[in-house]
Amino acid sequence: ETGVTQSPTHLIKTRGQQVTLRCSSQSGHNTVSWYQQALGQGPQFIFQYYREEENGRGNFPPRFSGLQFPNYSSELNVNALELDDSALYLCASSPGGGRAEAFFGQGTRLTVV
Amino acid sequence: KQEVTQIPAALSVPEGENLVLNCSFTDSAIYNLQWFRQDPGKGLTSLLLIQSSQREQTSGRLNASLDKSSGRSTLYIAASQPGDSATYLCAVEGNYGQNFVFGPGTRLSVLP
Repeated sequence: ETGVTQSPTHLIKTRGQQVTLRCSSQSGHNTVSWYQQALGQGPQFIFQYYREEENGRGNFPPRFSGLQFPNYSSELNVNALELDDSALYLCASSPGGGRAEAFFGQGTRLTVV
Repeated sequence: KQEVTQIPAALSVPEGENLVLNCSFTDSAIYNLQWFRQDPGKGLTSLLLIQSSQREQTSGRLNASLDKSSGRSTLYIAASQPGDSATYLCAVEGNYGQNFVFGPGTRLSVLP
């Protein structure tokens, strides 16, 4: 048990819809990173938030956006869903801007139909 | 651009065997390297973190080594058990990025 919790665990959306995924970071961790993992592949970095500011972004389009709140929990929002957005979305928390061991949540399985 | 590969892609062994999983990365300017375990459809469980100044880390039956100059890391699992069956992922964090770059993983099956 890592102390990183994600919600919901599963959801199904229709192409073109919008979705919000949530992550509560481990106590004492001020950095949250989001990753997308397609079936059979390693996770791909989406973006990172450190003390409520975006602190790096991977090669994902602007329709992937995020927020970090004062309690360091975070949201990932995806607009205009596409079929290829179907994946496991993973949240990781770490202390001190990311230069430390990362702890992952159980993920949210998103299916776009 | 950092690229991470893992060999083999899949491995099936009888219970009790010692085994080695390999990870290679193209850019040696890394800050740390972390090995994870992933059960089907689940999140990632951290196994070992090796800082760039370290050569190896050990936890129970697991030992991970790092050779930064050659861009390689190995995860050694001693006396494998059926409960070790999972996908093992290697990830590196670069000196100039704040994120991990993951390999595709090695899918391990340990047969009773």
